[in-house]
Amino acid sequence: EAQVTQNPRYLITVTGKKLTVTCSQNMNHEYMSWYRQDPGLGLRQIYYSMNVEVTDKGDVPEGYKVSRKEKRNFPLILESPSPNQTSLYFCASAKGAGMTYEQYFGPGTRLTVT
Amino acid sequence: RKEVEQDPGPFNVPEGATVAFNCTYSNSASQSFFWYRQDCRKEPKLLMSVYSSGNEDGRFTAQLNRASQYISLLIRDSKLSDSATYLCVVTSPSGGSYIPTFGRGTSLIVHP
Repeated sequence: EAQVTQNPRYLITVTGKKLTVTCSQNMNHEYMSWYRQDPGLGLRQIYYSMNVEVTDKGDVPEGYKVSRKEKRNFPLILESPSPNQTSLYFCASAKGAGMTYEQYFGPGTRLTVT
Repeated sequence: RKEVEQDPGPFNVPEGATVAFNCTYSNSASQSFFWYRQDCRKEPKLLMSVYSSGNEDGRFTAQLNRASQYISLLIRDSKLSDSATYLCVVTSPSGGSYIPTFGRGTSLIVHP
């Protein structure tokens, strides 16, 4: 089954404790992206990647890191999480970064930083 | 000015009603447009693409007005199951590729 998977689905952590949220897709997609979604603010892009070893900042990259060492994986790293990073996070992938490509989303990761 | 704007609603309509949402965008170079549906904090899923000539899929009709820079989504004969948040997505050129920008979404509640 074609899908985007994220782990963990739920995470409660404390300020400053490094964490990684994994994202993997099995559709051989070139484009991958991370979003956060907050009430009243909609989906905001954190980072995106056009292909392996190519990553770019989105609208809200501060406090996050990503890497794209393999085509299928695009982990999101919070080196020192803070409470303002409490949010619902979605990973997405698309065939490419062209105009007409549909994005497929993972099920989301609900992160709480205390 | 936000690049992509939507009325957050909620739009509260009875079953069987026709409802329409608009989404305005500020970048005149935007090239492609989509409507996604999101159920209660689940992942967004593509509802339909929006073509220059407009397109229809069953009870759903999407249209693009480039001159006024907005897209619309019309839902006819609303069902209870149409209750969701509808996200407008506009893709614009950036550094040789195309980057999607999401609107904040319009909430639809269909009641019996």
